[in-house]
Amino acid sequence: DSGVTQTPKHLITATGQRVTLRCSPRSGDLSVYWYQQSLDQGLQFLIQYYNGEERAKGNILERFSAQQFPDLHSELNLSSLELGDSALYFCASSVEQGVTLGNTEAFFGQGTRLTVV
Amino acid sequence: DAKTTQPPSMDCAEGRAANLPCNHSTISGNEYVYWYRQIHSQGPQYIIHGLKNNETNEMASLIITEDRKSSTLILPHATLRDTAVYYCIVRVVKKGGKLIFGQGTELSVKP
Repeated sequence: DSGVTQTPKHLITATGQRVTLRCSPRSGDLSVYWYQQSLDQGLQFLIQYYNGEERAKGNILERFSAQQFPDLHSELNLSSLELGDSALYFCASSVEQGVTLGNTEAFFGQGTRLTVV
Repeated sequence: DAKTTQPPSMDCAEGRAANLPCNHSTISGNEYVYWYRQIHSQGPQYIIHGLKNNETNEMASLIITEDRKSSTLILPHATLRDTAVYYCIVRVVKKGGKLIFGQGTELSVKP
């Protein structure tokens, strides 16, 4: 158990709908990352938050948005869903404190499997 | 972020050492090398990381060349449960040091 909790584990929804994926980081971790993994595809970095602020952006669509709340949990909102948005969505968290910030590993949750029908 | 190059696939016999290479020839002095693995659609699992010295933990050893342009992850006694995709990642050292995954190496451990 990595200590990172993602809910729900599975989600089935129709095209055009909007969903929210939730991530609870490990206790004390300030940084949260979101990734998308489509079938037989690699892990695509979407976005990162650090202590409530957006820190880095990857290949995130405009239909997608995220935020990190004061209690450090994060939500990824996916709207106007298309069939191609079906994928595993992973959240990761890391401490990111101090000078040697590269010296901190990120821990991943077990993902949310989104199926758009 | 520096890019990494890994072989797409490798085989290893159960009980033998698995040596997974990674090239990162454009790595900068303050970038760390991280290794993760993903077992069949599970969340990626952290294995080990290092800057310039060789590192060892309960899972694996990491050997980084002196010029830091390449590294090798060693699983000393591979088991069937080590079958996974292994990712070598170079990560910047700053706030927002995002982890960018490449295609990785698919390691198959065979009986």
